[in-house]
Amino acid sequence: GAVVSQHPSWVICKSGTSVKIECRSLDFQATTMFWYRQFPKQSLMLMATSNEGSKATYEQGVEKDKFLINHASLTLSTLTVTSAHPEDSSFYICSAREGGRGRGETQYFGPGTRLLVL
Amino acid sequence: GENVEQHPSTLSVQEGDSAVIKCTYSDSASNYFPWYKQELGKRPQLIIDIRSNVGEKKDQRIAVTLNKTAKHFSLHITETQPEDSAVYFCAASMTGTASKLTFGTGTRLQVTL
Repeated sequence: GAVVSQHPSWVICKSGTSVKIECRSLDFQATTMFWYRQFPKQSLMLMATSNEGSKATYEQGVEKDKFLINHASLTLSTLTVTSAHPEDSSFYICSAREGGRGRGETQYFGPGTRLLVL
Repeated sequence: GENVEQHPSTLSVQEGDSAVIKCTYSDSASNYFPWYKQELGKRPQLIIDIRSNVGEKKDQRIAVTLNKTAKHFSLHITETQPEDSAVYFCAASMTGTASKLTFGTGTRLQVTL
């Protein structure tokens, strides 16, 4: 159980285009999903926390108008990188946490999306 | 906010030896401490976690210890095998719906034959 999928697994796009990444919890309901960015040989940096049915909470320094997050259902959150530039090239990973009291704090990670902006 | 420091950044051990990775955290309110293993280009996988109401937890060759007073926790891997080679991340968070994980900087473990 506790499987999280992410699509696409990799994407190459031209500078200035927008890219949408989907994160799905396959066998559980995720009231909270998280979006991370990971540069080569570095740790996971939290970008934003996404709660179903409400606006995402962004970490300091993350532009909310550039990284649009939507969490419209208990099993799906999307991250849209708008007007992507080469410096946005990175490994984007989502995670999901089950909702409800007593469900714990365990986060289950998706397989990641490697974005390359040319 | 929470700050998690992790040492060492790289660790090389011979197969069969033990490996220890240490983390410290800054926020005394943190009470959940997971460890993740990440192989190159893949997702982080939860390998063990501990909550602040216990001091030690073991799962086969993996154990985690927690010292709340000193605000540090450690991962112990015994009888290491080549497949243990990966990057290991510690993390800390509070419990509750608003909680979020703060990750350490990672330890690259290399198990040599």
